Amino acid sequence: AQKVTQAQTEISVVEKEDVTLDCVYETRDTTYYLFWYKQPPSGELVFLIRRNSFDEQNEISGRYSWNFQKSTSSFNFTITASQVVDSAVYFCALSEAETGANNLFFGTGTRLTVIP
Amino acid sequence: AAGVIQSPRHLIKEKRETATLKCYPIPRHDTVYWYQQGPGQDPQFLISFYEKMQSDKGSIPDRFSAQQFSDYHSELNMSSLELGDSALYFCASSSRGMAYGYTFGSGTRLTVV
Repeated sequence: AQKVTQAQTEISVVEKEDVTLDCVYETRDTTYYLFWYKQPPSGELVFLIRRNSFDEQNEISGRYSWNFQKSTSSFNFTITASQVVDSAVYFCALSEAETGANNLFFGTGTRLTVIP
Repeated sequence: AAGVIQSPRHLIKEKRETATLKCYPIPRHDTVYWYQQGPGQDPQFLISFYEKMQSDKGSIPDRFSAQQFSDYHSELNMSSLELGDSALYFCASSSRGMAYGYTFGSGTRLTVV
């Protein structure tokens, strides 16, 4: 069965610090997608990244970077030089493509607080 | 760019009442998904539709039903509302195989009193 684990429930950092949010997943499929979403206090789910299981290249987008390692079933997310606006709940999610269903299984989220 | 539109944004209902939530997917997206997010919880998949047919079912209560119409908009109907139904309800849309990503609407916050 599929599963997404975000072991860090809450993290607090001081502004300008770097922070890494961990995500570990379980799936029997060889083809799957991994996602990160940001949920600010306003409640919407903001798409950050999608990565398919055949693309293990790390990705950098501005202050955000992602480290995908199939060997450890992890898809970690790093924010460099954190800002107060980064304060939000971050969800990692998995979709198993082989079933064709495409619904997302979410982790329980990590609440990040950036202190000015 | 057009996004997923959900209405209403907020809804307050009393116990045992009925609620209808609407979702307008991104144009040319053929799949619609509904999720429920309780307070402090992660979003849970309820149901999805592909080309107006139900394609997958998650943890959707029997009191809830949904459909997708000919114009691809979808409605989630919730009857005999309970206090525990208070949650954020998200709709998302994608193109089959997620070729064009997976986009969520802003959500409908349902409060049952």
